[in-house]
Amino acid sequence: ETGVTQTPRHLVMGMTNKKSLKCEQHLGHNAMYWYKQSAKKPLELMFVYSLEERVENNSVPSRFSPECPNSSHLFLHLHTLQPEDSALYLCASSQDSITSTDTQYFGPGTRLTVL
Amino acid sequence: QKEVEQNSGPLSVPEGAIASLNCTYSDRGSQSFFWYRQYSGKSPELIMFIYSNGDKEDGRFTAQLNKASQYVSLLIRDSQPSDSATYLCAVSRNTDKLIFGTGTRLQVFP
Repeated sequence: ETGVTQTPRHLVMGMTNKKSLKCEQHLGHNAMYWYKQSAKKPLELMFVYSLEERVENNSVPSRFSPECPNSSHLFLHLHTLQPEDSALYLCASSQDSITSTDTQYFGPGTRLTVL
Repeated sequence: QKEVEQNSGPLSVPEGAIASLNCTYSDRGSQSFFWYRQYSGKSPELIMFIYSNGDKEDGRFTAQLNKASQYVSLLIRDSQPSDSATYLCAVSRNTDKLIFGTGTRLQVFP
């Protein structure tokens, strides 16, 4: 498998559920990102990890909890979400995170619906 | 003022025409500029990036950057129906943060 993969592709959960989104990159990159894409809004950066260290937390509510066990895997743990959290959650990776010229490559996304 | 602004469209062009997509940004310290294409229900895919003022060509695509005017554009020559998608402009300073516009929807009709 190549590129950036995400599972599950679709997820429906209730507000009291706990679930996790998984991202895996096969590009040998050192940086990984979580983005949220809502209708009619720009892509919003949520978290950045570089060499498994979190380097950016873009004022994301604590009901979203990221985990980066190694440079190839990134998780987003979800608990007690709200209906307004329904969106497309995109994972991306880049060779590095400290230079603006690094290109980010996106996974296919997880379409999340919170009931 | 939005950090990255794009006309949401739709921009409708006939097949074979040149499609011109525009983007303005507010941060004068921005260093890198990216164009992503996103088909409906799919994730963004990188088309081009540009760092220096002027034009950069790649096949049917040309990115144009004018830092003085804080303006970046994407030209698509010989537009095809398969080019119909939303085009996202993204801007980066010297950090790891990409700032995206809301995208311009392009429709190429036969």
